[in-house]
Amino acid sequence: KAGVTQTPRYLIKTRGQQVTLSCSPISGHRSVSWYQQTPGQGLQFLFEYFSETQRNKGNFPGRFSGRQFSNSRSEMNVSTLELGDSALYLCASSLGARGRESYNEQFFGPGTRLTVL
Amino acid sequence: EDKVVQSPLSLVVHEGDTVTLNCSYEVTNFRSLLWYKQEKKAPTFLFMLTSSGIEKKSGRLSSILDKKELFSILNITATQTGDSAVYLCAVEGQGGSEKLVFGKGTKLTVNP
Repeated sequence: KAGVTQTPRYLIKTRGQQVTLSCSPISGHRSVSWYQQTPGQGLQFLFEYFSETQRNKGNFPGRFSGRQFSNSRSEMNVSTLELGDSALYLCASSLGARGRESYNEQFFGPGTRLTVL
Repeated sequence: EDKVVQSPLSLVVHEGDTVTLNCSYEVTNFRSLLWYKQEKKAPTFLFMLTSSGIEKKSGRLSSILDKKELFSILNITATQTGDSAVYLCAVEGQGGSEKLVFGKGTKLTVNP
């Protein structure tokens, strides 16, 4: 069974630009969560999608948005990029939604390394 | 604000040693505490703990939760070089506090 895939793996952008990251969950998984990881802040929760609906959101500005498609694939968009957005963006999928036992066995993708110049 | 503090931040041991990693937390309406191992890029799930005093074990790894004192420990016995990684602790709230909050991690280095 293929794991979680994320594209692109590496991305370099300049301040003010926008970026879209993609995540394909494990087949059959309906929940997708996004995280930002930086050396200073560690791993921080961005949002969770289940059945095309955003169920939870972390403390990030509105420049960070996402969506999930009917095939459970998810995209994350960051507009008006800032230097501080440079980070590893991780996507994780799970069988069930938060609140269910099966949610917490999340499988992470390899991440997208975003560098903002 | 929900908070997770892990200690120590880094640890260097020799193969065969036993290590204990600590995680203390403050969260509104606690639901669960999770441990992950991160080597290179993607974290991998280790344990989910919801009840106090019940030890979870997987091979040489074990973990326990104390909901009264708001902390958890992760034990690794007979460490091997393959245990070298960053160990992450996260807590999950419920009822409006359902985001997952991670600690900064403990970087474990096991030398041969």
